[in-house]
Amino acid sequence: DAGVIQSPRHEVTEMGQEVTLRCKPISGHNSLFWYRQTMMRGLELLIYFNNNVPIDDSGMPEDRFSAKMPNASFSTLKIQPSEPRDSAVYFCASSLIGPEQYFGPGTRLTVT
Amino acid sequence: GENVEQHPSTLSVQEGDSAVIKCTYSDSASNYFPWYKQELGKGPQLIIDIRSNVGEKKDQRIAVTLNKTAKHFSLHITETQPEDSAVYFCAGEGGNTPLVFGKGTRLSVIA
Repeated sequence: DAGVIQSPRHEVTEMGQEVTLRCKPISGHNSLFWYRQTMMRGLELLIYFNNNVPIDDSGMPEDRFSAKMPNASFSTLKIQPSEPRDSAVYFCASSLIGPEQYFGPGTRLTVT
Repeated sequence: GENVEQHPSTLSVQEGDSAVIKCTYSDSASNYFPWYKQELGKGPQLIIDIRSNVGEKKDQRIAVTLNKTAKHFSLHITETQPEDSAVYFCAGEGGNTPLVFGKGTRLSVIA
């Protein structure tokens, strides 16, 4: 079975540019989570969706960050404009009914 | 909200020895405690979990124990092998709130 799919795997961009990260959850899963991982702060939950509806976005650091889930099989995390401090690994995870979350391989973002 | 503390942050063991990682949580309503293993360049992978109605769970060389009274849980890896080297995360979840993760433990198994 295909796991969570994220693209791109690596992204290098210049400060001020728009960045869009993509996620395809495991088929049939109804919850989707976006995380950011850094050495300093560990794994931080940014936002999560249940049945395509955003439930809690209190972890989104600033208005520069936005996330959408237009359908059950696709979600995006957008940063506009990007800044060097946004450099991190961004993970998407999905879950079915229970609390078990399954993570994608991540997108390593570097903002210069 | 939930707060999960994890210790130690780094751990080195000789191949064949046991490794123990400990976590504490703050929310007495939490009832689900998973452990994730993250290898270099990969996403966290769920390796074992335990629910609050169980005190211990084993899966081959790994086991997890839970003490609800003291609000702590531990991961035990026996007969460690070099491929066990990774970063391990504990997490807690209660009710309708999503997982809260510990800061991670970098385990190095020395051959």
